[in-house]
Amino acid sequence: NAGVTQTPKFRVLKTGQSMTLLCAQDMNHEYMYWYRQDPGMGLRLIHYSVGEGTTAKGEVPDGYNVSRLKKQNFLLGLESAAPSQTSVYFCASSYQSHREAFFGQGTRLTVV
Amino acid sequence: DQQVKQNSPSLSVQEGRISILNCDYTNSMFDYFLWYKKYPAEGPTFLISISSIKDKNEDGRFTVFLNKSAKHLSLHIVPSQPGDSAVYFCAASEGYNQGGKLIFGQGTELSVKP
Repeated sequence: NAGVTQTPKFRVLKTGQSMTLLCAQDMNHEYMYWYRQDPGMGLRLIHYSVGEGTTAKGEVPDGYNVSRLKKQNFLLGLESAAPSQTSVYFCASSYQSHREAFFGQGTRLTVV
Repeated sequence: DQQVKQNSPSLSVQEGRISILNCDYTNSMFDYFLWYKKYPAEGPTFLISISSIKDKNEDGRFTVFLNKSAKHLSLHIVPSQPGDSAVYFCAASEGYNQGGKLIFGQGTELSVKP
């Protein structure tokens, strides 16, 4: 039982490049989330999904897109990376609202 | 607009003593609160939660207190152990109709000294 798995774990991008972060969960959870963590700012919600085929914006959605084509996967895309997107990205999933979410180990992204 | 705030970036406590981590929120619609613990280079892990219908919840050495009128919650760790050294995040849930998303505070780094 792997829980929530994020790939890749580290990545360095040049400004303007694109990439996709993959999140996979094996707990059959309906809810999935993408957060970014920056020093002094805690975890901020980028996008989330309440079920397969659905997505919604969080606190800081600009510059990111997401897709949830399969229930177990939640993809986060950066179309044109900017240095301001240098951060640690966490994916999470939960069985239902009002309950604890399980987090992946994070992806450390550096945009130069 | 920071809806969930942890005003103390760091806290240092002696082993065996009590650690008290605080969290304030502004949105009166929050009705479920959680604490997460995070070690370096790992994802946050769930620690303890409380529903707004309660004012206290205990799990071993960890107790969470909720004061709804003050929009304040706190996490007590008794006794504190060196392995408790980590960053602690409080989070609040906006409710079922809001997709169950969690709003996090900035985190408090706890250091427990032997």
